[in-house]
Amino acid sequence: GQNIDQPTEMTATEGAIVQINCTYQTSGFNGLFWYQQHAGEAPTFLSYNVLDGLEEKGRFSSFLSRSKGYSYLLLKELQMKDSASYLCALRRDSSYKLIFGSGTRLLVRP
Amino acid sequence: GAVVSQHPSRVICKSGTSVKIECRSLDFQATTMFWYRQFPKQSLMLMATSNEGSKATYEQGVEKDKFLINHASLTLSTLTVTSAHPEDSSFYICSARVDGHGYTFGSGTRLTVV
Repeated sequence: GQNIDQPTEMTATEGAIVQINCTYQTSGFNGLFWYQQHAGEAPTFLSYNVLDGLEEKGRFSSFLSRSKGYSYLLLKELQMKDSASYLCALRRDSSYKLIFGSGTRLLVRP
Repeated sequence: GAVVSQHPSRVICKSGTSVKIECRSLDFQATTMFWYRQFPKQSLMLMATSNEGSKATYEQGVEKDKFLINHASLTLSTLTVTSAHPEDSSFYICSARVDGHGYTFGSGTRLTVV
């Protein structure tokens, strides 16, 4: 089985930086994904980590530590449109199932 | 890029009836399709995995006789909610594996059972 934990809600200010953490326990690990989801819409891919370290893509960066079962998504220069849910998801071994965490609702205030 | 077309986007049905949701891969062959359900303010919960030409694999706690999944071709997977009840009202979304490490999602179906 697996257990994926994220904070339920976070609030940040426009222009600031926010870090959304994800901790996990799993019997098989084959990559960690971060998705953004606006209400009523499909998730949008943000990042993928399979090796330890930091992956940077524009305003978004994601970090992974496999030994600690820990990842974070870093959002820089926050914009109002970044208000959304952010989902951490694990891919399990050879099944390629993508299992989602509970998601973090981010509210960006002016 | 790889696109999955999901229909209908919204459906309202009467309690006791069945509803079919379709996911079509438009420009690639989807060997595997994942079906998720999402209740308000919750995350996506994996319901089942369908593979073309074989029976779907259901996650623990998901009734396979209630949620019928068919994956008869490499471009079409369907989910039928049978004898729907108000508690089945949810957002249903499909996802297909694409080349590399990615996944592509359908746009989702909002099901309301009245």
